[in-house]
Amino acid sequence: AQSVAQPEDQVNVAEGNPLTVKCTYSVSGNPYLFWYVQYPNRGLQFLLKYITGDNLVKGSYGFEAEFNKSQTSFHLKKPSALVSDSALYFCAVRVFSSSNDYKLSFGAGTTVTVRA
Amino acid sequence: NAGVTQTPKFQVLKTGQSMTLQCAQDMNHNSMYWYRQDPGMGLRLIYYSASEGTTDKGEVPNGYNVSRLNKREFSLRLESAAPSQTSVYFCASRVTGDSNQPQHFGDGTRLSIL
Repeated sequence: AQSVAQPEDQVNVAEGNPLTVKCTYSVSGNPYLFWYVQYPNRGLQFLLKYITGDNLVKGSYGFEAEFNKSQTSFHLKKPSALVSDSALYFCAVRVFSSSNDYKLSFGAGTTVTVRA
Repeated sequence: NAGVTQTPKFQVLKTGQSMTLQCAQDMNHNSMYWYRQDPGMGLRLIYYSASEGTTDKGEVPNGYNVSRLNKREFSLRLESAAPSQTSVYFCASRVTGDSNQPQHFGDGTRLSIL
């Protein structure tokens, strides 16, 4: 079964420091991977995706993610975190369905807190 | 451009009551989805619809029914609410046929069942 795991429930960093949110995947075939962010009382917002090509993917709000096939990982990174980056982050993997569409299988989420 | 709109935003029900959660999108998307979000469990797919007139079960369909009323609207119904269905419900949509496109989410319906 296609799945992702987020090994950390919480990540705490100081503003200005690098931020990393970890995600590992388990898929058969080529993985299609996504990162979403959820701010309080809001829906999920798309950050970035990996389909094929460069292992370093750049997304919204200064975030990037590195795809590592040998380690089956897709970690989200930001070189210099902001207090406004405090949110809940979800990794997800595409799972094809029988109706010519795809579904997303989500990780449990990682709460990021950036302190001033 | 409203995107994905969910109503109501909050609701409290008693056990055994019924309720329909509404979702509408104005992006001309074919595919629509219903998820529930519970602490520590991420989002779990309840039902989805790849196109008008079709619906399929997701990971946790028991206790729910859906209707794809037209291309814009996809409703989720709880026929007899149970406390285990207390959750935050999200609707999402996306373009079908282009597997690279992400899903777009509404802001959720927070449902409490007493």
